[in-house]
Amino acid sequence: DTEVTQTPKHLVMGMTNKKSLKCEQHMGHRAMYWYKQKAKKPPELMFVYSYEKLSINESVPSRFSPECPNSSLLNLHLHALQPEDSALYLCASSHGQFANTGELFFGEGSRLTVL
Amino acid sequence: AQSVTQPDIHITVSEGASLELRCNYSYGATPYLFWYVQSPGQGLQLLLKYFSGDTLVQGIKGFEAEFKRSQSSFNLRKPSVHWSDAAEYFCAVGAPASSASKIIFGSGTRLSIRP
Repeated sequence: DTEVTQTPKHLVMGMTNKKSLKCEQHMGHRAMYWYKQKAKKPPELMFVYSYEKLSINESVPSRFSPECPNSSLLNLHLHALQPEDSALYLCASSHGQFANTGELFFGEGSRLTVL
Repeated sequence: AQSVTQPDIHITVSEGASLELRCNYSYGATPYLFWYVQSPGQGLQLLLKYFSGDTLVQGIKGFEAEFKRSQSSFNLRKPSVHWSDAAEYFCAVGAPASSASKIIFGSGTRLSIRP
């Protein structure tokens, strides 16, 4: 199983809503990542979890709250988002602790629209 | 800090023609280099990577890339493109000595295939 599964694929939410994005991998990878990708732009790193601990937060606004319940699951909790937060949110995992040392496995993404 | 530049925003080639996508990096030493591909509405998939050794790297789907230290380049090539190769291609660079789990992505090159 070499898949990273993200749900939901599409999400529309209002600025006062609370929602969550979910990511799951069963490859035994010990690092998991959240990226944000705007249209026609490269992915931008948001958070990194290494061995279930938050190791990198790229100064992401607090309206985005990551959670890693176990080594296979990664959540991104969303609250009071702004329309400019509309984007494709990509989850990725890697076997090694650091993305530099190996391959990032990406999910297909969750396309978020904030109204 | 490392950086990566993809000079070509959009390239169109005829099916069956050869392809070369350009990538230039900036780093004080030999970095880790990657090429990822993203089909419309999908996540990213690793095509190939260079860490050290042979400067000509073979990847999946018939792609190869050559590391040229003198030109700070890591160009992606394919001898004969297929319509299914139409996608966005991202060059990425990582710093071997860095403890940060970051890969820096280039701005991407969109490849279109002319029938």
